[in-house]
Amino acid sequence: AQKVTQAQTEISVVEKEDVTLDCVYETRDTTYYLFWYKQPPSGELVFLIRRNSFDEQNEISGRYSWNFQKSTSSFNFTITASQVVDSAVYFCALSDAIQGAQKLVFGQGTRLTINP
Amino acid sequence: EPEVTQTPSHQVTQMGQEVILRCVPISNHLYFYWYRQILGQKVEFLVSFYNNEISEKSEIFDDQFSVERPDGSNFTLKIRSTKLEDSAMYFCASSELAVGTGELFFGEGSRLTVL
Repeated sequence: AQKVTQAQTEISVVEKEDVTLDCVYETRDTTYYLFWYKQPPSGELVFLIRRNSFDEQNEISGRYSWNFQKSTSSFNFTITASQVVDSAVYFCALSDAIQGAQKLVFGQGTRLTINP
Repeated sequence: EPEVTQTPSHQVTQMGQEVILRCVPISNHLYFYWYRQILGQKVEFLVSFYNNEISEKSEIFDDQFSVERPDGSNFTLKIRSTKLEDSAMYFCASSELAVGTGELFFGEGSRLTVL
């Protein structure tokens, strides 16, 4: 069965600090997809990134970067120079790539608080 | 930018009542989903819908739940006889392609409170 673990339930840092959110996943599939979503206080789910299992290249988007390591089944998310607006709950999620199977398995989420 | 819209944003109901949550997916999308998030917990998959039928459902999605696409634009989730434990935020989502290959767009959620 698929499983996503976000061991950090809450993180609190001061603005401008860098912060890394950990995500460890379990799957028996050789092909799968990993995602990060942001849930701000308003409640909606905002898509941040999708990565397939064949692409282990790290990705950077502005202050956000993702480190995918298949060897350790991890897909960690780093925010550089954090800002108060980054305060949210962040979810890591996993989906298999079998045709017709279209569900995301989410982790428990990490509540990130950026203090001014 | 196209978006998934959900109504109502918040509904309060008595235990045992029927509830219908409505969603308008993005117009050219083919796959539709409902997810649930109990307060403070993780987001859980309920059901996926493609080509006018359920393609997958979780164990949460029991006989009390049903989904329907009554016309070309709406996608509804019905809970026949609500229980206290159905209180949660319900998210509708849609994607143009299967979720592994296409971005999943979520609506802003409908908060259901069962008293």
